[in-house]
Amino acid sequence: GQQLNQSPQSMFIQEGEDVSMNCTSSSIFNTWLWYKQDPGEGPVLLIALYKAGELTSNGRLTAQFGITRKDSFLNISASIPSDVGIYFCAGYKSGGGNKLTFGTGTQLKVEL
Amino acid sequence: DTEVTQTPKHLVMGMTNKKSLKCEQHMGHRAMYWYKQKAKKPPELMFVYSYEKLSINESVPSRFSPECPNSSLLNLHLHALQPEDSALYLCASSHGIAGVLADTQYFGPGTRLTVL
Repeated sequence: GQQLNQSPQSMFIQEGEDVSMNCTSSSIFNTWLWYKQDPGEGPVLLIALYKAGELTSNGRLTAQFGITRKDSFLNISASIPSDVGIYFCAGYKSGGGNKLTFGTGTQLKVEL
Repeated sequence: DTEVTQTPKHLVMGMTNKKSLKCEQHMGHRAMYWYKQKAKKPPELMFVYSYEKLSINESVPSRFSPECPNSSLLNLHLHALQPEDSALYLCASSHGIAGVLADTQYFGPGTRLTVL
């Protein structure tokens, strides 16, 4: 099935650095979701975005729903070791029913 | 509370075995989902139940048989699986209210399935 274009594919950063990742699509999405997944665990919802232009924060995390409704980004400020994991964006497309479209994932590794 | 629980956490089965995966949520959600996930890949949708009725089957082989006994429970019955079916199986739920465009899904911790 279709996947969203998510970049970067992986990142290796120093503890304390800020991180940015994004998702793009050729189609319009009504909802953007950002999940984090630790090895062997299920994805955990970080931020949900429901309106174009919406900017939402959750602690050190900030995400935005792009004005064109075709993209979204996630920023993590002052990264810490527990930020390690795979981050997935996901979205509901207009007319897509209950089906979520997932991004390809960004693997984050933090160097102490 | 946004908790979805899944049992068992790990399952090893032979190709002739019959086993079941269980999922439970008490958030009053009316949509429940099964996903299959391979390592470092995004989850792949298998089935969607809406108001206890199967609404989406993503052309999943019949050796996977879903069941929704009530609005809180979702099962996945497994029979005659193949080694390539080894994966993390995730359950998720959402409000599933008709007419609501934005329907955030909450995932369980998953069952790690190994088929020998």
